[in-house]
Amino acid sequence: EDKVVQSPLSLVVHEGDTVTLNCSYEVTNFRSLLWYKQEKKAPTFLFMLTSSGIEKKSGRLSSILDKKELFSILNITATQTGDSAVYLCAGTGANSKLTFGKGITLSVRP
Amino acid sequence: EAQVTQNPRYLITVTGKKLTVTCSQNMNHEYMSWYRQDPGLGLRQIYYSMNVEVTDKGDVPEGYKVSRKEKRNFPLILESPSPNQTSLYFCASSYFTGQAGANVLTFGAGSRLTVL
Repeated sequence: EDKVVQSPLSLVVHEGDTVTLNCSYEVTNFRSLLWYKQEKKAPTFLFMLTSSGIEKKSGRLSSILDKKELFSILNITATQTGDSAVYLCAGTGANSKLTFGKGITLSVRP
Repeated sequence: EAQVTQNPRYLITVTGKKLTVTCSQNMNHEYMSWYRQDPGLGLRQIYYSMNVEVTDKGDVPEGYKVSRKEKRNFPLILESPSPNQTSLYFCASSYFTGQAGANVLTFGAGSRLTVL
């Protein structure tokens, strides 16, 4: 059975801090790792990673995949209160099936 | 506007009363899927469909049915709802990229269902 584990489950930081969110996976026929952000509504897409060691970057967010060690990290620098959300990672396996982790709740305090 | 539309957004019903949650997408996506989201359990896949007339079970299919008669629609049917199906439901769709397997889902806004 495919499994995706995220850590920590929650964290609280202050504006301006840098955070690292972790995602490890065991996915049969692994094809890609995706990160989503969920505020009090539907998840929205952040990154898709398919190759090891190639950093994807969007503004203050960046992510990288390690296919040897089966994990990915999502970094957020200079955090803002608008970054407060649940961050989901998901592994794509056979038949394009996504398996999601339980999510990491990030709270950014002013 | 490209979107996934699901209805109803909120529903309170009673045990055993059949209900259908509709899902429609206007992006000509082959792949559609239903998820439920529960506190502490994350998003879990109920059913998915890779194209018209092709559906398959996800991780938690018990108590649910789906159909895919048209490419744009993927309704979720609860034949006899029970309280343990109280949850937040998301429909999602994407292009089916086949070999690449990447599945950048577009999610609907969610349907909050309460079964009393």
